[in-house]
This record gives sequence, structure tokens and C-alpha cells, in this order.
Amino acid sequence: AQSVSQHNHHVILSEAASLELGCNYSYGGTVNLFWYVQYPGQHLQLLLKYFSGDPLVKGIKGFEAEFIKSKFSFNLRKPSVQWSDTAEYFCAVMRGGGSQGNLIFGKGTKLSVKP
Amino acid sequence: SQTIHQWPATLVQPVGSPLSLECTVEGTSNPNLYWYRQAAGRGLQLLFYSVGIGQISSEVPQNLSASRPQDRQFILSSKKLLLSDSGFYLCAWSNYNEGNEQYFGPGTRLTVT
Repeated sequence: AQSVSQHNHHVILSEAASLELGCNYSYGGTVNLFWYVQYPGQHLQLLLKYFSGDPLVKGIKGFEAEFIKSKFSFNLRKPSVQWSDTAEYFCAVMRGGGSQGNLIFGKGTKLSVKP
Repeated sequence: SQTIHQWPATLVQPVGSPLSLECTVEGTSNPNLYWYRQAAGRGLQLLFYSVGIGQISSEVPQNLSASRPQDRQFILSSKKLLLSDSGFYLCAWSNYNEGNEQYFGPGTRLTVT
């Protein structure tokens, strides 16, 4: 069965530190990849997505992610975090093609940014 | 623009009581609809999805059921709640013609006592 692994359960950083959250998936075929973010008390919302093309994807709020097919990875990065980035981050994978669009989510990584 | 509504926002129910959570979507036609349960430290677990009216697929066997009586309405139900049904339930929609990414509702916090 397909699965998504997020390596860190909780990451604590100081403001201005760089961020990298790991995400690996197990499906060997074509995939669409997503990072979702859930700020405290808010809806789960899309941060960025990869469907095809340039494997380095830019998202909102200065986030980016790189799809490395050979490593089955889609790590999320931000060069300098802010206190407002405190949230829970979820990596998700959808098998490519078709209209069904079922997502498989990782267990999430909580990010706490100290001011 | 599209919006997704869920109600109620919070619910406390005794064990053995029935459940009905409602999700409605506005601003899109023939969406795919999803019910997820989110548990702390366990991510989001897909419970049901629907590609059209009356078409429901279950991802995990459980005490819950889903129905889609209208194109943009998705209902999560149970005849008799268990303690283990407590959790945070999220509804989502996607549309292949609009990028196929999923958009999530605000969720319902269910506590079974």
C-alpha cells in the first residue's frame, strides 16, 4: 500500500532559522505531490503542489519544495522562518492520472517558531 | 468563488447515539467529495470519497457511513456512536477541471462520551 512518511513529528526553530521538513512516499508510479498547512485554529490549506515540470516548486509565504524522483522525496523548505509560520505541516501524495484525486497524507510535522 | 461549509463545528454525543455531520460545497459542479478523520499525531485518514451523487467508496471498515443525496452535499453518519469515533472530521472537495487539489472545510470536533 502507498504511504507517506514525514520524518519529524515536532520541529522547534528560532526566527530567521532555515527550515527543511522531510517527506518521502512509497508509490513507484506517477504522482502528484502536495504540502498542506494548518495554522492554529484555521482550515487546512494548500501551501504548494507539484504535478509536472520544474521539480522545484514555489508556494505561498516563501515556501518551496523540491521533488526528487530518485529519492521518492518532496521536502519542504524555507530559508528564514517567522513566528507566524508556527503551524502543522502535512505532506500528501496523489497517484497521477484519473479524476478521483485520493490523497494519502503523512502524519504531519508540528513547527514551533520561537520569537 | 468556491466555499465549503461543515456543521456543526463541535458536537458532544453519548455512546450509542446516532450521528449526522453535514458538508456542503458552493461554487463548483460535480466535485469529488471526501470525509477525513484527523487524529493528533496520526495525520489525516481518508474515510469516504464520492465521485458523484449516490456513489460512495469506503476506505476503511468502521462504524460510520456516508451518503451524497445531492451533487454538493456529503453527509457522514452513524447509527450508534462508539467512544473511538471521537475525533476531528474534515470534509474536502476537489474538481479535476480545477486543478484536482483538495480544499478543506473548517471541520467538526466530535466528542463521544
